[in-house]
Amino acid sequence: GESVGLHLPTLSVQEGDNSIINCAYSNSASDYFIWYKQESGKGPQFIIDIRSNMDKRQGQRVTVLLNKTVKHLSLQIAATQPGDSAVYFCAENNYGQNFVFGPGTRLSVLP
Amino acid sequence: NAGVMQNPRHLVRRRGQEARLRCSPMKGHSHVYWYRQLPEEGLKFMVYLQKENIIDESGMPKERFSAEFPKEGPSILRIQQVVRGDSAAYFCASSPRLAGDYEQYFGPGTRLTVT
Repeated sequence: GESVGLHLPTLSVQEGDNSIINCAYSNSASDYFIWYKQESGKGPQFIIDIRSNMDKRQGQRVTVLLNKTVKHLSLQIAATQPGDSAVYFCAENNYGQNFVFGPGTRLSVLP
Repeated sequence: NAGVMQNPRHLVRRRGQEARLRCSPMKGHSHVYWYRQLPEEGLKFMVYLQKENIIDESGMPKERFSAEFPKEGPSILRIQQVVRGDSAAYFCASSPRLAGDYEQYFGPGTRLTVT
């Protein structure tokens, strides 16, 4: 289930289940969005991106959904694996201005 | 093709000393961004530089912090007279900033500890 920790919300899922991580973005003019994965002690790693003229994009085991009406972005991970355990950030960009990062969600995969 | 390089990976400074953090962007990238991350928090934008120019420093504290990206060599984030509150991970990202391509590639970060 999902819980709010001291700082980072945490999502715990069973290995093999699907994960859905949500993000509310702030700027209705943002036209480009990225999901990043950050493992402990490492820099953020690009997972998947989507432009505002799309509402869905699929990668390998990951899907990003964009709902511009409610300014909501989600990341779906199919068949979650232990290696997916990390903190996930969404980032929004407004026509080449700087990225604004969301607060992050910690994904914990249970054996 | 090497990724974004940052050094040092760990830096310990006493209060009042100076910290210099270096970032070498990916080959062919002329745009560099610096972010700060406190434990259990997201990344906060600090400054965006292009070669020899500061494009946006709206996220940088007005005092003690400065950044440069010279024509030759790495980008430098400099923190003078460090205080304990400067302890954080500092990440650099680079981008080609080609038309419509805003993707940023991150380095491994420098973890600054102020004692």
